[in-house]
Formats: sequence, structure tokens, C-alpha cells
Amino acid sequence: AQTVTQSQPEMSVQEAETVTLSCTYDTSESNYYLFWYKQPPSRQMILVIRQEAYKQQNATENRFSVNFQKAAKSFSLKISDSQLGDTAMYFCAFMKAYSGTYKYIFGTGTRLKVLA
Amino acid sequence: GAGVSQSPSNKVTEKGKDVELRCDPISGHTALYWYRQSLGQGLEFLIYFQGNSAPDKSGLPSDRFSAERTGGSVSTLTIQRTQQEDSAVYLCASSLGQTSTDTQYFGPGTRLTVL
Repeated sequence: AQTVTQSQPEMSVQEAETVTLSCTYDTSESNYYLFWYKQPPSRQMILVIRQEAYKQQNATENRFSVNFQKAAKSFSLKISDSQLGDTAMYFCAFMKAYSGTYKYIFGTGTRLKVLA
Repeated sequence: GAGVSQSPSNKVTEKGKDVELRCDPISGHTALYWYRQSLGQGLEFLIYFQGNSAPDKSGLPSDRFSAERTGGSVSTLTIQRTQQEDSAVYLCASSLGQTSTDTQYFGPGTRLTVL
């Protein structure tokens, strides 16, 4: 069975600095997808970034980028130039398609606080 | 609407009562998911609907929980004889249901409080 581990329950970073959130997962599959979601205090989960496992190139979305290490089963999120609005819970998620069924496994989250 | 909507946003009920939570997915999304998020916890998968296929109910915690999806669109999650441990935020998400582009989009959730 797949598992997703986020080993940092809480982190803080100064505004404008860079922070990296870690995520590791365990799977025997070769084709899958990985995601980072952000959940601000408003509770609405927002997709931050997505990575296809068959792509070697790391995904980037503006200030957000990932370091995808397939062999190590690691998928960390780097937030550059942190902003106060980045304060939120961040969830790492694994997705695999099985003959019409899509299984999503979420980590327990990292609470990030950006300090002014 | 443009996104996934859920109602009510908050629900307070007494132990033993039944509750219904509603989810309106994004138009055209064939896949719909329900999750439970307890205080300080990650997302616990409850149930998954894909088109007209039989739902994947493997995450439902007990037979007090059930869900249906009418016409491949709106879904209702029903909790019968609520217990205090059912208190949580219930999140709904939808996706296109296609491998190459499958990404979940979440609703704002329903916060359920069982007194």
C-alpha cells in the first residue's frame, strides 16, 4: 500500500526568505502523480503544483517549485520569496490510477507560518 | 458555478441525529470524492464516485455513513445516528476523471459539530 509522509508538522519562515517542505512516499508503482495542496485558514484546499512521475523535469509554478527524486521517493516543495499569504497547511498527495479508479493518498500536512 | 460548492458550510447537530451534507462538483467532472478532516489531521478518504460505475466505499468508517450521487452530478453524504467522534470537516473534491489530467479540485468543506 502507498503511504505519504510529511515529517515536519510545523515550520516558520521569514517573509521574503525561502523554505522547503519535505515529503516522502512509498510505492512499488512506476507511473503515478504527485501533488502539493495548500489549505489556508479559510479551509479551501488549493492545488499548488503537480508532478507526473514519468517526467524528470521538476515542476515549477511561479514562486513554487519541487525537487522530485524518484529513486529516493522524495517530493519536496520549495517556496521562494515567501509571502504572508503563504501561511497555510500544506499537504503532499500521491495519486495512482487503477482501471478507472483514482487513488489519492494524502500526508498529514505541514503547517507553515510566514513571519513579518 | 466555477468551483466545487458544499452546503451547509457549518452544521451543528445533537448526538443521535441524522445529517446530510451536499456537494456540487465542477460541471463536466466525472469523478467525485469525499474526505474527512479531523482537527489537526490529514485527509481521510471516505468514498469515490466515477461516472456511472459502482462507488468505491472502502473508506467509509461505519455503516452509519452512506453517500449517493444523483445523475452523475450532485452528491449527498449522509451520516446516521451521529456520534461526537463524527465531528470534523467534510471535504468534497471533483476531477475530470482522466488519468493524464486528473487533478482534484476541492470545495470549502462542511464543518460538522456533534454535541
